[in-house]
Amino acid sequence: GENVEQHPSTLSVQEGDSAVIKCTYSDSASNYFPWYKQELGKRPQLIIDIRSNVGEKKDQRIAVTLNKTAKHFSLHITETQPEDSAVYFCAASRPGGYQKVTFGTGTKLQVIP
Amino acid sequence: EAQVTQNPRYLITVTGKKLTVTCSQNMNHEYMSWYRQDPGLGLRQIYYSMNVEVTDKGDVPEGYKVSRKEKRNFPLILESPSPNQTSLYFCASSLRTGVQPQHFGDGTRLSIL
Repeated sequence: GENVEQHPSTLSVQEGDSAVIKCTYSDSASNYFPWYKQELGKRPQLIIDIRSNVGEKKDQRIAVTLNKTAKHFSLHITETQPEDSAVYFCAASRPGGYQKVTFGTGTKLQVIP
Repeated sequence: EAQVTQNPRYLITVTGKKLTVTCSQNMNHEYMSWYRQDPGLGLRQIYYSMNVEVTDKGDVPEGYKVSRKEKRNFPLILESPSPNQTSLYFCASSLRTGVQPQHFGDGTRLSIL
């Protein structure tokens, strides 16, 4: 089955700096890679996603890159702000008859004002 | 308002007493899923359903049952709860498949004594 590893588990950055979170996956058939943000006490919410036919996707200060050959994808947050502080999860899933979704273990991001 | 509704939000109960956590979505989504969230382990999929009467196991199905008799509802059943099922549970849905963005409910915190 799929295995998703996420690093680092915690990350502290100064406000205005960039943050990068990395995930690797094991199933080469996986083709959908979303990122979710979970604020304290809240539900996870999608912030960006990428499919395997695309190498990079950007939405304002957030970008995701995908390297299919190496089977890893990364979340990049530029010009971090205190409200970016949260836990971020990556995930992977594949099309077809068996559509399990596998999440990484999460990264707690702290943006220091 | 488009939403996924879980009930109850909090429950403290005792070992062996059957319980059901309900999940309902109003977006006409076909794919629904249950996750448990534990510190350091991220979100782990328990069961998912790709449509009415179609369910399949996720990564941690032991001790849980689900049913999908109607499109909008996907209850999680713990027939004989045990303390190791103490966790934060999330229901989620997506439009058609597991390879699309998921919308999460607000979570149910279960404590099994």
